[in-house]
Amino acid sequence: ETGVTQSPTHLIKTRGQQVTLRCSSQSGHNTVSWYQQALGQGPQFIFQYYREEENGRGNFPPRFSGLQFPNYSSELNVNALELDDSALYLCASSPPGRGGQETQYFGPGTRLLVL
Amino acid sequence: AQRVTQPEKLLSVFKGAPVELKCNYSYSGSPELFWYVQYSRQRLQLLLRHISRESIKGFTADLNKGETSFHLKKPFAQEEDSAMYYCALRSGSARQLTFGSGTQLTVLP
Repeated sequence: ETGVTQSPTHLIKTRGQQVTLRCSSQSGHNTVSWYQQALGQGPQFIFQYYREEENGRGNFPPRFSGLQFPNYSSELNVNALELDDSALYLCASSPPGRGGQETQYFGPGTRLLVL
Repeated sequence: AQRVTQPEKLLSVFKGAPVELKCNYSYSGSPELFWYVQYSRQRLQLLLRHISRESIKGFTADLNKGETSFHLKKPFAQEEDSAMYYCALRSGSARQLTFGSGTQLTVLP
């Protein structure tokens, strides 16, 4: 069974640029959540995708957007990058089930540096 | 709004000593609490959840609603327990996790 994978592992961008991060969910998982982890902090929820639609969103501006594809993989897009966007971006997938009780399985993350 | 607080950024104990990692939460609803662990060069993984009332790798955590705490405990720490530990609360329509800032545990030989 393949776990959650993310690409790329590292990325360097400059202010104002746009970036796309990718996530492949674990086999059989249909829900993908994205988190931002700044240095020295815990992960912070960005948004979640379920059945190709946004299913919940944290306190992030609209320049953070996402997609989920029919195979349940997902993208996180960030426009107009700012220095504070430098962070580790984590993707987590969870299987279908009842009442949202399912465990989230995390990928290794993409480290983004904005210069 | 919900909040999770881990007051200790760093915690060092000697092998064989008891260890307690503190977690306090603020949430108006019925809390679902978790401990996640990240070993060196590995991804974040679930250690235990309060609803299961389980012991994983010798760790236990009891939800105390009166004190709004969910401290992680182990009676005899091992060197392989050295890792970053995050307390998390699940809430919201997306059942998203709100994490604390983490505690880096070092178990000394």
